[in-house]
Amino acid sequence: GAGVSQSPSNKVTEKGKDVELRCDPISGHTALYWYRQRLGQGLEFLIYFQGNSAPDKSGLPSDRFSAERTGESVSTLTIQRTQQEDSAVYLCASSLTGGAGTGELFFGEGSRLTVL
Amino acid sequence: GENVEQHPSTLSVQEGDSAVIKCTYSDSASNYFPWYKQELGKRPQLIIDIRSNVGEKKDQRIAVTLNKTAKHFSLHITETQPEDSAVYFCAHRGGSYIPTFGRGTSLIVHP
Repeated sequence: GAGVSQSPSNKVTEKGKDVELRCDPISGHTALYWYRQRLGQGLEFLIYFQGNSAPDKSGLPSDRFSAERTGESVSTLTIQRTQQEDSAVYLCASSLTGGAGTGELFFGEGSRLTVL
Repeated sequence: GENVEQHPSTLSVQEGDSAVIKCTYSDSASNYFPWYKQELGKRPQLIIDIRSNVGEKKDQRIAVTLNKTAKHFSLHITETQPEDSAVYFCAHRGGSYIPTFGRGTSLIVHP
């Protein structure tokens, strides 16, 4: 594909509902990352997938957050029982390789989540 | 740890002036230091990066310097233009290989 694609671009939900965010990485990129960006803040690491290795979930803020990736393609980030503090832009990025060879990250446009 | 401190949080300059943004890190295993630019409402995009085997890298009006001994690196933008206005993020890749980002610097270039 031309770049990293994320959907939905905007999501408004009510507190307590579950949401699912999708990321299509650049074809051939083995590494995939999810970051959270609160308004006016930096990029907070959430989870990292590299090939078929077990994901690094060290950045997930609570057990309400989970993510999956099918092989080296699509990833979904799920937030259960959403809270107002979950409101943020969720950015997905992919890179050609991970590990010691990690180079440029290519970001998607992000999914803006608003929890009312 | 793999935290990275970025300063200043906001930088306002006149068109044509230079801008410098500094970052410090603590992970001695860090060996890759990229800088990303995020325009309002857009995705972050890489503008320049440097690896630990060099001390400076330049690309037209943008340069990055790295001091591994002091564990800091800086972004230098010369002859700033209004289109340089954006948020700039430093990042580094440490022992975990996961890029860690600074909190960002909002650069405002006044015409």
